[in-house]
Amino acid sequence: AQKITQTQPGMFVQEKEAVTLDCTYDTSDPSYGLFWYKQPSSGEMIFLIYQGSYDQQNATEGRYSLNFQKARKSANLVISASQLGDSAMYFCAMSLTGAGSYQLTFGKGTKLSVIP
Amino acid sequence: DARVTQTPRHKVTEMGQEVTMRCQPILGHNTVFWYRQTMMQGLELLAYFRNRAPLDDSGMPKDRFSAEMPDATLATLKIQPSEPRDSAVYFCASGLRGLTDTQYFGPGTRLTVL
Repeated sequence: AQKITQTQPGMFVQEKEAVTLDCTYDTSDPSYGLFWYKQPSSGEMIFLIYQGSYDQQNATEGRYSLNFQKARKSANLVISASQLGDSAMYFCAMSLTGAGSYQLTFGKGTKLSVIP
Repeated sequence: DARVTQTPRHKVTEMGQEVTMRCQPILGHNTVFWYRQTMMQGLELLAYFRNRAPLDDSGMPKDRFSAEMPDATLATLKIQPSEPRDSAVYFCASGLRGLTDTQYFGPGTRLTVL
């Protein structure tokens, strides 16, 4: 079974600063994907970034980057130059990418608050 | 701009009533998921379809929940009879297995059972 752990229930960051949200995962399957989703107060789930287990380079999408450390089984999200609109819940998730089901297993989330 | 759509966005009903939630996946996606989000349990999978066939519904209470995909453009989640503990946000997500593993979520249906 897969497991995602997000140890930071809440984080504060000053506007324009960078922030790292932690995520560790556990799986015995060698083929998997790691995802980050943002959930603002409006409730929608917005896909941010994806990292495959065989990807050699860390994924980047605009101000978002994923710090993938396979040996440590960590997939931390880095948000650069924080904006007020980044205030939201952030969920780390994983799925298997082999022959099996690729349902998402989610962590409990981290609530990020950006301070002006 | 392709998006997953869900209706209704909000539903308030009384215990014992039937509730039907609908989802239109992104055109061309071959997988559809139903997730439920509560404060206590977080996000959990209820059911999963690939090419309209149900592959996994182990997360659903079988006696009251049912999920179907009558065609490629419509997925439904039905609760009969509803109970107060079913109050939650229900998300539909779709993806294209084999090309990308990313799942795209709809806006959710916020269900309140009184």
